[in-house]
Amino acid sequence: AQSVSQHNHHVILSEAASLELGCNYSYGGTVNLFWYVQYPGQHLQLLLKYFSGDPLVKGIKGFEAEFIKSKFSFNLRKPSVQWSDTAEYFCAVNTNAGKSTFGDGTTLTVKP
Amino acid sequence: NAGVTQTPKFQVLKTGQSMTLQCAQDMNHEYMSWYRQDPGMGLRLIHYSVGAGITDQGEVPNGYNVSRSTTEDFPLRLLSAAPSQTSVYFCASRQTPGGGTGELFFGEGSRLTVL
Repeated sequence: AQSVSQHNHHVILSEAASLELGCNYSYGGTVNLFWYVQYPGQHLQLLLKYFSGDPLVKGIKGFEAEFIKSKFSFNLRKPSVQWSDTAEYFCAVNTNAGKSTFGDGTTLTVKP
Repeated sequence: NAGVTQTPKFQVLKTGQSMTLQCAQDMNHEYMSWYRQDPGMGLRLIHYSVGAGITDQGEVPNGYNVSRSTTEDFPLRLLSAAPSQTSVYFCASRQTPGGGTGELFFGEGSRLTVL
């Protein structure tokens, strides 16, 4: 069965610090990878996704993620975080079988 | 465009009561699903549907029923509520039944408390 593991449960950063959130997945077949963000009191929305081509994908608000197939990883990065990036971040995997599986989430707190 | 609409947003139940969480989408999406979100446990799939008349179980289906009589609607029924079902429930839909490149579109969530 597919699974997704996010390494950090809670990350606290100061504004302008760089961010990297780890995500590893377990699935032997073709996958499509996603990062979703949930701002306080809101529903989840798509941050970025990878399905083919350039393994470095760019999303909204300056976020990017790199797919490393050999490591089964899809880490999220941002060079300089802002207070408004405070949110919960979820890594997710789609398989061709149809299910979407989510990691446990990482809560990011950015101190002004 | 309303997207995915969930009702109610908040609900308090007593143990043993039943209720239905409603979910409707107006994007003509084939795939619909229900997740529950609990602290430290991320989102766990309860049930999903790849089209009208077709439903299947996810990771945590016990205590929940679903049906999909139309493309638009995917209600989640709690047959006999238990305190362990206290959670935030999200309905999500996707264009394609298969996983593929399609992202999920989420409703705003329903916060359920079972006393």
